[in-house]
Order: sequence, then structure tokens, then C-alpha cells
Amino acid sequence: GEDVEQSLFLSVREGDSSVINCTYTDSSSTYLYWYKQEPGAGLQLLTYIFSNMDMKQDQRLTVLLNKKDKHLSLRIADTQTGDSAIYFCAESHGNKLVFGAGTILRVKS
Amino acid sequence: NAGVTQTPKFQVLKTGQSMTLQCAQDMNHEYMSWYRQDPGMGLRLIHYSVGAGITDQGEVPNGYNVSRSTTEDFPLRLLSAAPSQTSVYFCASSRDRGTEAFFGQGTRLTVV
Repeated sequence: GEDVEQSLFLSVREGDSSVINCTYTDSSSTYLYWYKQEPGAGLQLLTYIFSNMDMKQDQRLTVLLNKKDKHLSLRIADTQTGDSAIYFCAESHGNKLVFGAGTILRVKS
Repeated sequence: NAGVTQTPKFQVLKTGQSMTLQCAQDMNHEYMSWYRQDPGMGLRLIHYSVGAGITDQGEVPNGYNVSRSTTEDFPLRLLSAAPSQTSVYFCASSRDRGTEAFFGQGTRLTVV
């Protein structure tokens, strides 16, 4: 089956690190993604990781993948107010992307 | 470079009316899909297409039809609108299976 779960809400102070967690069920997923959705907008790809990688770093973003536990996380360093958005974890499943329900990140100044 | 364009941005329908949500992409992508977004439920796949002339059902296809006569266009038809179809609809396209999906800005549909 295909199921992606995320916590619904995270609140951090500006300048702190944010860690958004995700669990997935399809061990055959080749790619795992993090998308960002700002209010009133569509989704934009933030970063992705191949299933044969443990970690990927891209500027302030660090993705960690634990294949054994089917756990994916996104760390945002030095979180800014502009990072306030909904973050979606997604896994590739055949021809489809399966999304989690999204984590609302609120950054307090 | 327009990317993925959805029209209309907003729509109000009465129960039982039909309408077509338009989606067009100018990136020559083979893969296109329609999602609906409801609070607390993430994005759920309605229908998808792996190329012109080929469509398949997603997770929540009932009440919706699609066709893909060209690579560029992937319209979503609501046959007889119901209040349960009140949602935000997103169209997405990607070059290949598993590559980055590009999303349109969404259509906010209200069925009264």
C-alpha cells in the first residue's frame, strides 16, 4: 500500500532550526520529495533525495533518509519568516506521486 | 515560460451543473495529473496521464472525467457537481516518472 504521514503543525522561532518529519510505507519508492506551498499558491519542489542516499544538503536544507525505518526528515537551518508555509512530503509510486497531509510551519519573529 | 496554466482560478457552481477545469503546459511533458487538496488530507490524485491518448484513475476518480488528446492539454470535467467536490484543484506535469512535478496555481471550486 501507499501511505505518507506527517505531523500537522510545527512552530519555531526565527533563527532556530526546523525539523519536519515524514514516514512512508512504499519501500520501492525511488524518489522522495519535499514540496513547499505558500498561501494561495501551488506547490513548489524544494528538494528531493534518491532512495539509495542517506543525506542530501542544499544550502539551508538538509534531507535525511532512514530507509530501514521508512523515515524522511527535512531540516531548515536558520529558519526565517519567509519559510512559513505548508511542507509536503511525497513518495514516487509507479507513475504517481503520493503526498502526505502537509505540515504547517509557523515561524515566530 | 508559462509552465503549467490552470483556468479558471475561482469558480462557483450549483449542485448538478457540469464544468471543465482547464490545464495546459508548455514544457512538452509526458506526465500530467490532477489532484484535489482538502484541509488535513494533503493532495489526493484524481486522474493522471502518461502521454497523449493515455489516462488512468487515481485515488479519488468518481465524479470526474479526463481526456488527453494533445501533449499540452489535460482538462478535468465534472459531470454533475456535488458539494463534496468543493475543493482546490491542482494540475501538475513532469517530464518523466519520478522527476520533478510542476504545479499550476490551482482552481478554487465551490459547489453550492
